[in-house]
Amino acid sequence: AQTIHQWPVAEIKAVGSPLSLGCTIKGKSSPNLYWYWQATGGTLQQLFYSITVGQVESVVQLNLSASRPKDDQFILSTEKLLLSHSGFYLCAWSPQWGSYEQYFGPGTRLTVL
Amino acid sequence: QQQVRQSPQSLTVWEGETAILNCSYENSAFDYFPWYQQFPGEGPALLIAIRSVSDKKEDGRFTIFFNKREKKLSLHITDSQPGDSATYFCAASGDQGGSAKLIFGEGTKLTVSS
Repeated sequence: AQTIHQWPVAEIKAVGSPLSLGCTIKGKSSPNLYWYWQATGGTLQQLFYSITVGQVESVVQLNLSASRPKDDQFILSTEKLLLSHSGFYLCAWSPQWGSYEQYFGPGTRLTVL
Repeated sequence: QQQVRQSPQSLTVWEGETAILNCSYENSAFDYFPWYQQFPGEGPALLIAIRSVSDKKEDGRFTIFFNKREKKLSLHITDSQPGDSATYFCAASGDQGGSAKLIFGEGTKLTVSS
C-alpha cells in the first residue's frame, strides 16, 4: 500500500524567513507529484507538479519554488516568506500514466507572522 | 475565472436524509470529475469519481449524477450520518499529457444533524 508523509506537521515562521516543506511517497515508483495550497476555509490551488526526478512545472506564481531530488521526494521552499503564504500545504500523488486519481497527504499548516 | 462552481456553500440535513451537492463546470474538455471529502485539519480524501462517458456512478451511499450536455453534476449522499459532516470538493480534469491537473470548486460544507 502507498503511504504519503509530509513534514513538518505545522510551522510558525516570521515574515522574511526561509521555508522548506517536504513530502515523501512510499510504495509507489515514479509517481506524479503535486503541491497544493489551501487558504483557511478555501479551495485547493495547484502550485507545482512533477512527472519525474529533477523536473518540476510551475502552475501558479506565488514566490515559491519546488524541487524533486528523488523519485519519492518533493520539496517546497522559499527564501523569503510573505504573510500571504499562510495556509495549508498539501502534497499529492497520482500514478504516472493512465489514471487521473490524485491522493493527498495529511498536509502542513503554515502560519506566517 | 472560476472553472468549477459548487452550490450550496453550506448545507444542513438531518440524519437519514439525502444530501445533494451540486457542481458545474465551463470547460468542455474536462472528462474526469472526482469528489473529495475533507475533515478539518486533514488532507482531502478521494470519495468517488466519474468519467464523462458515464452518467451515473454509485459507491455505497454515494452517487454521482452527471449531465454532460448541461455541464453539471451532483453528489447524492443517501442515509446521511453525522460522520459525513465535512467539506466536499468537486474537481475536474482533462487530458493534460499525464500531468493530471485538477481544478477544484470552492467546496460545500455539509452538516448532518442528529
